[in-house]
Amino acid sequence: EAGVVQSPRYKIIEKKQPVAFWCNPISGHNTLYWYLQNLGQGPELLIRYENEEAVDDSQLPKDRFSAERLKGVDSTLKIQPAELGDSAVYLCASSPGQGKDLSGNTIYFGEGSWLTVV
Amino acid sequence: RKEVEQDPGPFNVPEGATVAFNCTYSNSASQSFFWYRQDCRKEPKLLMSVYSSGNEDGRFTAQLNRASQYISLLIRDSKLSDSATYLCVVNTGFQKLVFGTGTRLLVSP
Repeated sequence: EAGVVQSPRYKIIEKKQPVAFWCNPISGHNTLYWYLQNLGQGPELLIRYENEEAVDDSQLPKDRFSAERLKGVDSTLKIQPAELGDSAVYLCASSPGQGKDLSGNTIYFGEGSWLTVV
Repeated sequence: RKEVEQDPGPFNVPEGATVAFNCTYSNSASQSFFWYRQDCRKEPKLLMSVYSSGNEDGRFTAQLNRASQYISLLIRDSKLSDSATYLCVVNTGFQKLVFGTGTRLLVSP
């Protein structure tokens, strides 16, 4: 079974430029997450989707970050304009969703998109 | 106070040693708990869930103490391949998963 797929794996851009990341979750997973991970830190949630609905975007810096999951499957995360401090790993993850047993809370991560802003 | 706190380490241990990590959480209503492992430049992967009665998986033992709001991970007979960062993860409710900063383990020959 295919895991969570993300692209691009690596991206280097100049500050003030836009960047977009794409994520394809595990088939059948209703919940999709975007996390930000800085070096030496744990992942921090940016946004969580239940199907196509963003149910938790409280940590998403909405002045420059946007995300969508139009058909409840793939998702994109965009940054415009990028700042130097946005250099980090952007991790997409998915899980089966609410209403499941404990194992349903297990989330599976993609390999991440490594962003460097110069 | 952070929702989930861990000692970042690194913990340097020789092969064969037993090592334990603790993690504390602030939300007493937290529902479920996990340990994830993250290798250098890789994504986090589930190591084990943590159950109220404690659970064991081979050389790994996880414990939960709800009264004191901490969870622990014990690794026996450490292997070189155990070198990684161990992330404590707490479900604070409604599928909101909060990660600790991770504890780095280095196992040396």
